[in-house]
Amino acid sequence: QSALTQPPSASGSPGQSVTISCTGTSSDVGGYNYVSWYQQHPGKAPKVMIYEVTKRPSGVPARFSGSKSGNTASLTVSGLQAEDEADYYCCSYAGSNNLVFGGGTKLTVL
Amino acid sequence: QVQLVESGGGVVQPGRSLRLSCVASGFTFSHNGMHWVRQAPGKGLEWLGVAWYDGSQESYADFVKGRFTISRDNSKNTLYLQMNNLRAEDTALYYCARFYGDNGGYLDYWGQGTLVTVSS
Repeated sequence: QSALTQPPSASGSPGQSVTISCTGTSSDVGGYNYVSWYQQHPGKAPKVMIYEVTKRPSGVPARFSGSKSGNTASLTVSGLQAEDEADYYCCSYAGSNNLVFGGGTKLTVL
Repeated sequence: QVQLVESGGGVVQPGRSLRLSCVASGFTFSHNGMHWVRQAPGKGLEWLGVAWYDGSQESYADFVKGRFTISRDNSKNTLYLQMNNLRAEDTALYYCARFYGDNGGYLDYWGQGTLVTVSS
């Protein structure tokens, strides 16, 4: 149950697109289409942005999208806005009702 | 509306025990799996474990097996985390979260967390 690998930081200017990767193994990310992404602003609880790799919960802007190829999942934020600046965590089902999180990526809007 | 309120955190000496609680409201508690997730100061999220919706099973991250126990009382809408033999590295904000869906679901509601500090 090793943590999924995310880049520690990412950045982009308002209006641009940024993609955050999340690399696991065939036992988690690659083995299931059960990757979710969480946004966390300082001092706040995490909020789900994407689930089942590509699905957006009600209320999440369409600017947020997810994808997966092999053992790597990705979150893309298009049309960056100032309020998108936050920490982002991927999370994958890892079998036997276990979950595993990524180390987190700090997204900075320049 | 769905609410999750954690309690029971505080300062505890290494080697001691602590039990956290998470009281749920606004939904049928017995319908959802419930998870514990922690976050050390300035660090990332770390999954600890889950209690099945009916309390029949639990599952844990390898690094807490044998030290932490998750349980729930559906009659009280309450989730618990019993933590034994605490270590300095267990210092963190502990969140409970509701799981929505099956394996492909997600943690849709989170509490605000309760802070545990392990220090002599």
